[in-house]
Amino acid sequence: IVLTQSPGTLSLSPGERVTLSCRASQSVVSNYLAWYQQKPGLAPRLLIYGASDRATGLPDRFSGSGSGTDFTLTISRLEPEDFAVYYCQQYGTSPYTFGQGTTLEIK
Amino acid sequence: EVQLVESGGGLVKPGGSLRLSCAASGFIFSRSTMNWVRQAPGKGLEWVSSITASSFDTNSADSVKGRFVISRDNARNSLYLQMNSLRTEDTAVYYCARMAAVGGLRAGFDIWGQGTLVAVSS
Repeated sequence: IVLTQSPGTLSLSPGERVTLSCRASQSVVSNYLAWYQQKPGLAPRLLIYGASDRATGLPDRFSGSGSGTDFTLTISRLEPEDFAVYYCQQYGTSPYTFGQGTTLEIK
Repeated sequence: EVQLVESGGGLVKPGGSLRLSCAASGFIFSRSTMNWVRQAPGKGLEWVSSITASSFDTNSADSVKGRFVISRDNARNSLYLQMNSLRTEDTAVYYCARMAAVGGLRAGFDIWGQGTLVAVSS
């Protein structure tokens, strides 16, 4: 399953709302779709699993939605620490593919 | 403390071999499906291989099939990746990661190690 994320890069300001897109080439089994955040030099951090369930301790400004082949990650009000690279991943069908990533940069 | 710690990375020549290890602590390793994920310098994430809790089932990406072997030792709380016939394109940071389970359903990769760098170069 090929995951295509859009856009590739977003330049935004703190306080803005952002929606990231992840489109799958075929339906994701059981909506096993996750979102990760990665900062330079660090391992990825799980944000969302099952398309819409928040990982433990994740602020509620992060939300995930979608099903089948179209998924989104929304950050309602960007905080300075949210500027990072975001990846979607499907873990329902092997190989457990990742999208190519969306970079959120400070405007 | 819940953690995964990788080791075994380094510089190796093309065609060489390397064995990565991942030591788990703070959770019930023997009940967890485990994975290897890699990231080439400046690139995105690539899932490499997975192994179920009992080692009954393993899966690998086509890019490493026939060259890399995933295994585990539940008595030692350890995950391994034996990498043979290494190529320059295998150069990457290699992470081990746990597949979470919530209510019997898969729940993404919730625990990650810090990564170990494998560099394949002549």
